[in-house]
Amino acid sequence: LAKTTQPISMDSYEGQEVNITCSHNNIATNDYITWYQQFPSQGPRFIIQGYKTKVTNEVASLFIPADRKSSTLSLPRVSLSDTAVYYCLVGDIINAGNMLTFGGGTRLMVKP
Amino acid sequence: EAGVAQSPRYKIIEKRQSVAFWCNPISGHATLYWYQQILGQGPKLLIQFQNNGVVDDSQLPKDRFSAERLKGVDSTLKIQPAKLEDSAVYLCASSFSSGSTYEQYFGPGTRLTVT
Repeated sequence: LAKTTQPISMDSYEGQEVNITCSHNNIATNDYITWYQQFPSQGPRFIIQGYKTKVTNEVASLFIPADRKSSTLSLPRVSLSDTAVYYCLVGDIINAGNMLTFGGGTRLMVKP
Repeated sequence: EAGVAQSPRYKIIEKRQSVAFWCNPISGHATLYWYQQILGQGPKLLIQFQNNGVVDDSQLPKDRFSAERLKGVDSTLKIQPAKLEDSAVYLCASSFSSGSTYEQYFGPGTRLTVT
């Protein structure tokens, strides 16, 4: 299983762009990178998923360099409601038998 | 579309008692997961089902935890007997594969307190 390393916490202000980087040095060829968001007293919620280069959806962008040993989740113009824990997961999503391992996550605090 | 349902939402028991949690996944989702989330930590996968078969239960403490998914739909996770260190939130998730996206949908969780 590919191990991930993320910053424990980050602070930002409303309206700023936030970039959270995840390190996954031993990522395997079949592994995808997935990010989840979790609010207190709720289950995690899927944000974005990618394999290489750049992926963008309505809430975030995911940047993956050519060597795939790291990835960056970019949240444009954050608001107070983006205060949450963000998890980076790496795993073989195609193989149903592969476990996806959550690390400790990054606690993002957005201040007014 | 209804989300993943879990019950109860909260449970308080004494150590050595038994407890059961129930999960109803999103209709049509073949894969179901149970996670344990201890306060301040990320979720830890306990068991993964594909339909009604177990895909992976390597992190399930089988001496006290058991899980089943009858008919490939609802699932039950049981702890017997409970220990103080079992105090956590138990999350159920389900998933399906759609094109190039593989997404897990989580329920609200059951918060277990063992005293």
